[in-house]
Amino acid sequence: EAGVTQFPSHSVIEKGQTVTLRCDPISGHDNLYWYRRVMGKEIKFLLHFVKESKQDESGMPNNRFLAERTGGTYSTLKVQPAELEDSGVYFCASSPWRGGRQETQYFGPGTRLLVL
Amino acid sequence: GDSVTQMEGPVTLSEEAFLTINCTYTATGYPSLFWYVQYPGEGLQLLLKATKADDKGSNKGFEATYRKETTSFHLEKGSVQVSDSAVYFCALNAGNQFYFGTGTSLTVIP
Repeated sequence: EAGVTQFPSHSVIEKGQTVTLRCDPISGHDNLYWYRRVMGKEIKFLLHFVKESKQDESGMPNNRFLAERTGGTYSTLKVQPAELEDSGVYFCASSPWRGGRQETQYFGPGTRLLVL
Repeated sequence: GDSVTQMEGPVTLSEEAFLTINCTYTATGYPSLFWYVQYPGEGLQLLLKATKADDKGSNKGFEATYRKETTSFHLEKGSVQVSDSAVYFCALNAGNQFYFGTGTSLTVIP
């Protein structure tokens, strides 16, 4: 079974540019999450999809970040325009739906974003 | 709110040494507790978990016991190997969101 995949693995952009990150969850997983780790700090929750619906987006830092999950399969996270403080590693995770029970989340390898 | 505090690194040990990485948590409910590991160049992998008080999670020689009275989930291994060099993250899940610690970098030298 394929794991969670993320694309690209690395991205280097200039301040003010736009970047779109993609996540493909494990097939059949209704839950999809985005997290971010800024250099040396904890991994922080950004948002949670159940299928195509945003269940919780309380961790999104500001309106420069837009996440979508059209059709309830893969998800994209767009940063527009990017700022220096957006640099970090963006992780995607997925888990099966179990009626709200706490489930192990399976993480992708992350996208390393550097904004210059 | 919910949070996790884990021992800061980096930690450097000789092969076959004993490892402890401390983790304590704050949670309003009854969380599940996890240790994830990130090997160089790879993503986060689940190492072990415990879903209720006094449960012990174990995998690959690593162990951690869910201690409600001390709100702790310390990671231990009796004899580390060079291949255990990685960053270790303690995490809790009290609903649908994970809360992670800052990560502890472990380097094991031959």
